[in-house]
Amino acid sequence: DAGVTQSPTHLIKTRGQQVTLRCSPISGHKSVSWYQQVLGQGPQFIFQYYEKEERGRGNFPDRFSARQFPNYSSELNVNALLLGDSALYLCASSSTWRAGNTDTQYFGPGTRLTVL
Amino acid sequence: AQSVSQHNHHVILSEAASLELGCNYSYGGTVNLFWYVQYPGQHLQLLLKYFSGDPLVKGIKGFEAEFIKSKFSFNLRKPSVQWSDTAEYFCAVNERGKLIFGQGTELSVKP
Repeated sequence: DAGVTQSPTHLIKTRGQQVTLRCSPISGHKSVSWYQQVLGQGPQFIFQYYEKEERGRGNFPDRFSARQFPNYSSELNVNALLLGDSALYLCASSSTWRAGNTDTQYFGPGTRLTVL
Repeated sequence: AQSVSQHNHHVILSEAASLELGCNYSYGGTVNLFWYVQYPGQHLQLLLKYFSGDPLVKGIKGFEAEFIKSKFSFNLRKPSVQWSDTAEYFCAVNERGKLIFGQGTELSVKP
């Protein structure tokens, strides 16, 4: 079975531009989460979606937005890029979502975003 | 909100040495705990997880972790490391569906 896939693998943008990152979950998984991993730190939660609805949002500015499609794939958009947005953006999928979620999240390879 | 603390930023061991990586989370109640590993050039992979039951959890590649509720800890152990265990290790706790990660521990195993 294919794991979580993300595209593109790498991306270079300049300050002020906008970027869209894409994620396809494991087949049968209905929940997608996005994380930002800055070099030398652990991943930080950005968003979680389940059944096309936002179920959680981390402490990120409104420049960050996301959505989930009927096929459960997801996009993360970042507007007005800043140098500090340079990071590895990870997508994770899980089979379901509950407030007391015990489902394991499986991670994709990430998209490396560099902002110049 | 939960926070996760990993005590060691970088650990260097020789092959066959024993490993213990510390992890503490900030408050109690029902917790779901995870250890993930990131090998060089690869994506985050699940090593093991604790949801309930036996506090000693066994994972892949000979790793195990012990959940000690009274100490808010979930330390990762391996009796004998190999060079192939060189990687970054992340402890995480599940809070209302989102994972809260520690800052990671880089493990270097010398052959």
